[in-house]
Amino acid sequence: GESVGLHLPTLSVQEGDNSIINCAYSNSASDYFIWYKQESGKGPQFIIDIRSNMDKRQGQRVTVLLNKTVKHLSLQIAATQPGDSAVYFCAESSRSYNTDKLIFGTGTRLQVFP
Amino acid sequence: NAGVTQTPKFQVLKTGQSMTLQCAQDMNHEYMSWYRQDPGMGLRLIHYSVGAGITDQGEVPNGYNVSRSTTEDFPLRLLSAAPSQTSVYFCASSYSTGVDTQYFGPGTRLTVL
Repeated sequence: GESVGLHLPTLSVQEGDNSIINCAYSNSASDYFIWYKQESGKGPQFIIDIRSNMDKRQGQRVTVLLNKTVKHLSLQIAATQPGDSAVYFCAESSRSYNTDKLIFGTGTRLQVFP
Repeated sequence: NAGVTQTPKFQVLKTGQSMTLQCAQDMNHEYMSWYRQDPGMGLRLIHYSVGAGITDQGEVPNGYNVSRSTTEDFPLRLLSAAPSQTSVYFCASSYSTGVDTQYFGPGTRLTVL
């Protein structure tokens, strides 16, 4: 069973292309950000995180960019694969890197076409 | 390790009924939490626990109770179910509340008629 809304913004990309998913946050005091991936019928899965003292962090095929000036976060997925199809959402914390009260965004659905 | 497990996977209740959603983890994590996920909204924190015997309210605690008698288990109780509690519920755990990966369970889809 799907667990997210029917009217999520959707990003459609062709297999092999790069994907960029965006997230805006409103709390200028937020100091820690996380990107999650949620496949249909499953719980969210941690992808990558970034602290506010950084503006870029790279993982395996993923890069997170943080622009504190405009309170914007993006997730870049290189060489997108069909297995990347899911809902992606960001979470933020303003509690000195504590994760006990994360604020979650609503998410973006990524669809990958062959 | 089984990770974070939740039961049941699906549940239908009538208004006014009570039930307990089960959550267990076998990773010896201190921090556990319950979220609900509704269409068009992000995950919202219901209750959380930073260790056995310690619980606290999250953003949307009304209508729910929790207890943490052991490190492994963190059940969520609906005292008198209401249609507004129709949602998907996720349990999560992490080693601490610091910068530490939270692991989510597979979710329980609850419908209240």
